[in-house]
Amino acid sequence: DQQVKQNSPSLSVQEGRISILNCDYTNSMFDYFLWYKKYPAEGPTFLISISSIKDKNEDGRFTVFLNKSAKHLSLHIVPSQPGDSAVYFCAASEASWGKLQFGAGTQVVVTP
Amino acid sequence: EAQVTQNPRYLITVTGKKLTVTCSQNMNHEYMSWYRQDPGLGLRQIYYSMNVEVTDKGDVPEGYKVSRKEKRNFPLILESPSPNQTSLYFCASSFDGFNSPLHFGNGTRLTVT
Repeated sequence: DQQVKQNSPSLSVQEGRISILNCDYTNSMFDYFLWYKKYPAEGPTFLISISSIKDKNEDGRFTVFLNKSAKHLSLHIVPSQPGDSAVYFCAASEASWGKLQFGAGTQVVVTP
Repeated sequence: EAQVTQNPRYLITVTGKKLTVTCSQNMNHEYMSWYRQDPGLGLRQIYYSMNVEVTDKGDVPEGYKVSRKEKRNFPLILESPSPNQTSLYFCASSFDGFNSPLHFGNGTRLTVT
């Protein structure tokens, strides 16, 4: 049973607009969350993370929001660029354990 | 250049023929792990290693073996591959396996006929 769920397999957005990717989790013990980005024929690369003591973390065009009560996190990309077209994976772990659980991924396509 | 190197990138084999996928990292990372990626299922952990000679099962360990005799290497062994092990495999490493991000290799596409 998947403990991390990305319910939107794909997302299409116009260049310059905001991309919002969503992720839900079921395990209340998760306290560290990450987003990875994956291009075709490459391995995933780390994008941004957030610990459960925060509700927002920002890094340039990327912002991750965490809502612990709803067991929900989201990744905002503003503004979206063509190079952002990739698969985005949400991942979560219990910090004391270190084992990451990944979601199924969301394919983002940024159109000109 | 800091990297995780997997070989081979592509592999086609037949049921029951033992194979090994190699993984090496040059970042002196303590933690290494193997994942498989399947459509609709994301990345699922097969095995992981917190340090040399320390390995443990992930979520889908059946049919796989690993070893960690040296810090830099973490090979994945399929003693008797079956078609349901056809998948895209990724090796990853991180500083300590806790809140440090994973660095992934470029993947191995395995087909078992």
